[in-house]
Amino acid sequence: GQNIDQPTEMTATEGAIVQINCTYQTSGFNGLFWYQQHAGEAPTFLSYNVLDGLEEKGRFSSFLSRSKGYSYLLLKELQMKDSASYLCAVVDSNYQLIWGAGTKLIIKP
Amino acid sequence: GAVVSQHPSWVICKSGTSVKIECRSLDFQATTMFWYRQFPKQSLMLMATSNEGSKATYEQGVEKDKFLINHASLTLSTLTVTSAHPEDSSFYICSAREADYEQYFGPGTRLTVT
Repeated sequence: GQNIDQPTEMTATEGAIVQINCTYQTSGFNGLFWYQQHAGEAPTFLSYNVLDGLEEKGRFSSFLSRSKGYSYLLLKELQMKDSASYLCAVVDSNYQLIWGAGTKLIIKP
Repeated sequence: GAVVSQHPSWVICKSGTSVKIECRSLDFQATTMFWYRQFPKQSLMLMATSNEGSKATYEQGVEKDKFLINHASLTLSTLTVTSAHPEDSSFYICSAREADYEQYFGPGTRLTVT
């Protein structure tokens, strides 16, 4: 079966750095997305990785290792507004999105 | 970026009635649209995938006669919850995909069935 694993909840301090991991086992791979979702709102796009390596976009970076079935989202200089759920999703061989359950990130002052 | 709208943003209806939710891609043509449901503190659950002009493909466990999906044009898909019951109360989110893999999400519709 297809499976996406990410931690259920993480806590970090304002101004710090946090890394949210995502491991996957899917039938085929055509890229990995990270989305941010605030409570009661729809997800918003953060990043898309299809090749190995690190993609940096401002305070957020996303890393992919296809051989390890592993990705992480790195958030720097954390702000209170970063408190949200972060969803990892993989595009499988049928070009369908397989969703992780999401990681709830709690930022403390 | 691409914009997807949903209407209504929230709706309250009585048990047994039907509710229609619209999803529109405002500045691009969506070859594929997706309907998701999300219960509180849970992840997105894909309900169905619809391609313009063809019947929707429903995920296992989703009743196609209860959740009617119509993707009549490249910019509009509708989800009708028929004979709604309180357990159908949820956050319904649509997304649209153009030619690439990225899905653009609508703002969601919160349905409460009393």
